[in-house]
Amino acid sequence: SQQGEEDPQALSIQEGENATMNCSYKTSINNLQWYRQNSGRGLVHLILIRSNEREKHSGRLRVTLDTSKKSSSLLITASRAADTASYFCATDALDNFNKFYFGSGTKLNVKP
Amino acid sequence: EAGVTQSPTHLIKTRGQQATLRCSPISGHTSVYWYQQALGLGLQFLLWYDEGEERNRGNFPPRFSGRQFPNYSSELNVNALELEDSALYLCASSFPAGRHTGELFFGEGSRLTVL
Repeated sequence: SQQGEEDPQALSIQEGENATMNCSYKTSINNLQWYRQNSGRGLVHLILIRSNEREKHSGRLRVTLDTSKKSSSLLITASRAADTASYFCATDALDNFNKFYFGSGTKLNVKP
Repeated sequence: EAGVTQSPTHLIKTRGQQATLRCSPISGHTSVYWYQQALGLGLQFLLWYDEGEERNRGNFPPRFSGRQFPNYSSELNVNALELEDSALYLCASSFPAGRHTGELFFGEGSRLTVL
C-alpha cells in the first residue's frame, strides 16, 4: 500500500508551543496535501506541496517535502487551543491518478 | 457559495439492510470521491466518479456501489450491511481533471450505524 502514515499518532502540547507532525509514504507522488479534521466532521484542506517543491508556508503552517526519503512534515507554530484536531496527509500517486491516499492521522491536543 | 452537502447526517440500519447516502458537490466540480472512516481511523478510499463514470475504486467488496448523476451529484449504496460497515462516510468534490488543483473539498459526512 502506498498509504501515507503520520507520526506521532497523538501529540499533546501547551498553547504557544510548536507542533510538528510527520508523514511517510511509499511510492512516487504528484503532490502531497495536509488536511485537518475536527472531531467527527469533514476534512478541511490546509496546504498542498508539489513533488518539485521542498518547502511551503501558509500563515502559521510550514510544510516540507523530501521526495528522496518519501516523507513530509507539517509544523504549526505558536499553537492555539483552536488547533486541537486530527491532521492527515494525503498523497496523489503518479501511477494512480486522483486516487488520494490518506494516512491514519495525528491527533493534536493543544492545552490552554 | 454552497459547499459539499451530504445527506442524511445520521443513518441507523440493521444487518442485512441497504443504505443509500447522497452527496452534492460544489457548483463547477465534476469529480466526486467517497471515503470510509471507521471510528478513530484514517480515511479509506472507496470510489471516484467523474463526468458520470466510475474512474477508480478502492479495495471494497462489490456490495459497495454508487453512481453519479448528470448534475454531478452522487449516491453511495451499501448492500447487505455488516456491523463493520459502521463508519463516517465522507464525500469530497474537485474540479475536472484538466482544471484539477489537487485540493479536495469535503462534506461533513454521513454517519452510518449498523446494529
